Amino acid sequence: DVKVTQSSRYLVKRTGEKVFLECVQDMDHENMFWYRQDPGLGLRLIYFSYDVKMKEKGDIPEGYSVSREKKERFSLILESASTNQTSMYLCASTPMTGGYGGEKLFFGSGTQLSVL
Amino acid sequence: AQKITQTQPGMFVQEKEAVTLDCTYDTSDQSYGLFWYKQPSSGEMIFLIYQGSYDEQNATEGRYSLNFQKARKSANLVISASQLGDSAMYFCAMRGNNAGNMLTFGGGTRLMVKP
Repeated sequence: DVKVTQSSRYLVKRTGEKVFLECVQDMDHENMFWYRQDPGLGLRLIYFSYDVKMKEKGDIPEGYSVSREKKERFSLILESASTNQTSMYLCASTPMTGGYGGEKLFFGSGTQLSVL
Repeated sequence: AQKITQTQPGMFVQEKEAVTLDCTYDTSDQSYGLFWYKQPSSGEMIFLIYQGSYDEQNATEGRYSLNFQKARKSANLVISASQLGDSAMYFCAMRGNNAGNMLTFGGGTRLMVKP
């Protein structure tokens, strides 16, 4: 089974701290994603990567950056955490397919981040 | 740009009855795929069902079926014979011809199954 592992299930940080959220997948997937989940808003894409050292902005990249130095690892960075970044963060991966293929996303169990 | 709309924030259904969760979408892509995910209180995202835009038959997976009406741009999820374990958040999502194979998600519907 594909496993996507997020390093922390719950995280509490102070405003202004630099925060790292780590995600590792074990199925050699090319594509990796960071989503943010908020009530009523569903999942919104922050950043994604389709190859090592490649990154693309999603719908809400402001206040975030990412790093992908190895294929299996995709990190989300909050340079200076703010209270409006309190949210559930979900990492996902999928193999590279052409166009609109039916390859599903495999998700990690999520990190609930609270910024105080 | 793609957009997914789920108009039912919350729904109740009686155990053993069928329930339909609504999903409408908007895209300019000619080819696309539609997905449904379930998120129980544990937080994990569980893939339920997939429908390709060129699939002629509605997708089915066990008690789940997708009522795909292309002209109306709707992709409703039908759950037959509801069980208590079906209580969860349900998300509709779509993928178009985009780089990285990302999914765009709707706001979700919380389904509560009554015993």
